[in-house]
Amino acid sequence: AQTVTQSQPEMSVQEAETVTLSCTYDTSENNYYLFWYKQPPSRQMILVIRQEAYKQQNATENRFSVNFQKAAKSFSLKISDSQLGDTAMYFCAFMKQGTYKYIFGTGTRLKVLA
Amino acid sequence: GAGVSQSPSNKVTEKGKDVELRCDPISGHTALYWYRQSLGQGLEFLIYFQGNSAPDKSGLPSDRFSAERTGGSVSTLTIQRTQQEDSAVYLCASSLAGQGNYGYTFGSGTRLTVV
Repeated sequence: AQTVTQSQPEMSVQEAETVTLSCTYDTSENNYYLFWYKQPPSRQMILVIRQEAYKQQNATENRFSVNFQKAAKSFSLKISDSQLGDTAMYFCAFMKQGTYKYIFGTGTRLKVLA
Repeated sequence: GAGVSQSPSNKVTEKGKDVELRCDPISGHTALYWYRQSLGQGLEFLIYFQGNSAPDKSGLPSDRFSAERTGGSVSTLTIQRTQQEDSAVYLCASSLAGQGNYGYTFGSGTRLTVV
C-alpha cells in the first residue's frame, strides 16, 4: 500500500521570502503521479503542480516548483516570493498510473506573514 | 457549469437523521469523485463514478452511506441515520474520463456537523 507523509504540520514564512514544504511517499510502483494541492479557507482544493514520475525534470508553475527525488521518494514544494494569498493548507498526493484515486498526506498549514 | 458546485455549503443535523449532499460537476466531466475530509482521518476516498455507474465504492465507510448519479451529471451522497463520527467536510470533484491523472477540479465541499 502507498503512503504519503508530510512531516511539517505548520509553517510560516515572511512575505516575499521562499519556503519549502516537505513530502515523502512510499510505494513499490514505478509509474505514478505526484501532486500538490492548496486548500484555502474557502475549502476548495486547487491543483498547484503535478509531476510525472517518469520525468526527471522537476515541474515548475510560476512561483511554484518541486524537487522530485525518485530514488529517495521525496517530493518537496518550493514557493518563491511568497504572497499573502499563499496562506492555505497544502496537501501532497500520490496517484498510481492507470488509477484515479489519490492517496493524500495529512497536510501542512502555511501562513504567510506580512 | 463553470466549476464544481456543492450544496449545501454547511449542514447541521441531529444524530439519527438522514442527509443528502449534492454535487454538480463541470459540464462534460464524466468522472466524478467523492472524498471525505475529517480531523482524525485526513482526506479519504469514498466513491468514483464513471457516467452513472460507480465501479468503485470501496471507500464508503458503512452501509449507511450511498451515492447515485443521474444523467451523467448531478450526484447525491446520502448518509442515513447520521452519527457524530460522520461529521466532516465532504468534497466532490470531477474530471474528464481517464484524465484524473491530470488532476481533479474540486468543489468547495459540504461541512456536515452531526449534533
